[in-house]
Formats: sequence, structure tokens, C-alpha cells
Amino acid sequence: DTGVSQDPRHKITKRGQNVTFRCDPISEHNRLYWYRQTLGQGPEFLTYFQNEAQLEKSRLLSDRFSAERPKGSFSTLEIQRTEQGDSAMYLCASSLGRGEKLFFGSGTQLSVL
Amino acid sequence: AQSVSQHNHHVILSEAASLELGCNYSYGGTVNLFWYVQYPGQHLQLLLKYFSGDPLVKGIKGFEAEFIKSKFSFNLRKPSVQWSDTAEYFCAVRAQHYQLIWGAGTKLIIKP
Repeated sequence: DTGVSQDPRHKITKRGQNVTFRCDPISEHNRLYWYRQTLGQGPEFLTYFQNEAQLEKSRLLSDRFSAERPKGSFSTLEIQRTEQGDSAMYLCASSLGRGEKLFFGSGTQLSVL
Repeated sequence: AQSVSQHNHHVILSEAASLELGCNYSYGGTVNLFWYVQYPGQHLQLLLKYFSGDPLVKGIKGFEAEFIKSKFSFNLRKPSVQWSDTAEYFCAVRAQHYQLIWGAGTKLIIKP
């Protein structure tokens, strides 16, 4: 499968714990995006990378969230001191450039108890 | 603030019925417009997009959408739906210098 892959598919954690998600984009794609989606809503932009540079972060994003793309390939999204409000589907997408279509992964479903 | 509004959260149709899903956005400048679809158990994928030119855009699986600038709308249509069109449909809009803004989605159920 040469699509976008995300790991894990599901994560259950207790409030206050840290979690980390991984995204492997399509190999030739230089742009990588993280979105969050809650029930009954569309995806909400979190951050994006062009190669290894993090070019934009949502102003709504708490400083408990951090993302990296160290070598311009895979990316990780870490949430520190999780809260129940962080429960959501975290989606990763990649594209060849701005304006190109997004290819999405299947997401990581986070449940914070 | 920019927003995207999808009028119907749930739509139920019988096979062979015609489909129109509404999408309106609030932004006065140049926009790029998208419809994405999520079939049950699958990831989001692009149905069609509009950047410029002919405001009637054709996508995959017989879908089309019409951009009406004066109405700030980009409605999705299909003349005759099939059971396999059961999915959730998302409208998304990108204004210049901004990231994609997504609607809340419309869940479409096609009765066989």
C-alpha cells in the first residue's frame, strides 16, 4: 500500500498522560498536514509542514500539542498532559504542493478517559 | 471569520433519485473549492475541485458541482444515485493565504 499510513489506529489513554502519533505520507509528497476531527464536524486544521519545515500552526492549537517532521519524511504529533477534550480523530494528509489534492490516512482515534 | 456551511447533516434517498447537496461559504475573495467523500470504513478522498474556468466541474463517479460566485455556493449534484454512493460528503474551501476550511459534512444514505 503506497498511501498515507497512520499509527496507531486507536489510542486509549488516561487524562494527564502524553501520547504520540505517527504519520507516514506518500513518499514523494513534500507537504504534510495534521487535522483533528470530532463527531459531527469536518476536519479542523492543526498544522502543516513543507519538507521538514513547520510552516503554519493553527492559532487554536494549545501549546500542549507539538509536531515534528525531522527528515521531511514521516511526522509525529505529540499531545502532552492529555485532556478529555482532546478526544478526537487525528488525521494526517499529504500532497505534492499547495493546491494539489490531499491524500488522507485512516486516522488515529484518541480516547482520553 | 471564514466558514463553510453544509445545509443538510443527513440525507436519505432511494436508488436512482437525483442528489443535490448544498455548500455555502463566507469569503469575498478568490477561493478554491473542493468536495471530499468518505465511504464507510475508508479514508477521505477527493471527489472534485474547482480553481478557475468553467464553473461546472465534473468529478469521479458521475458527480458534478457548480460554482455560483454570486451565491457563494458550490453545490454537489448527481443525476441518479446508487447504493454505493452511501458515504459522508464534505465541502471544503480555501481562500488565498489561508488553510482549507471544512464544512461539517453530510451523511448520505441510499436505500436499495
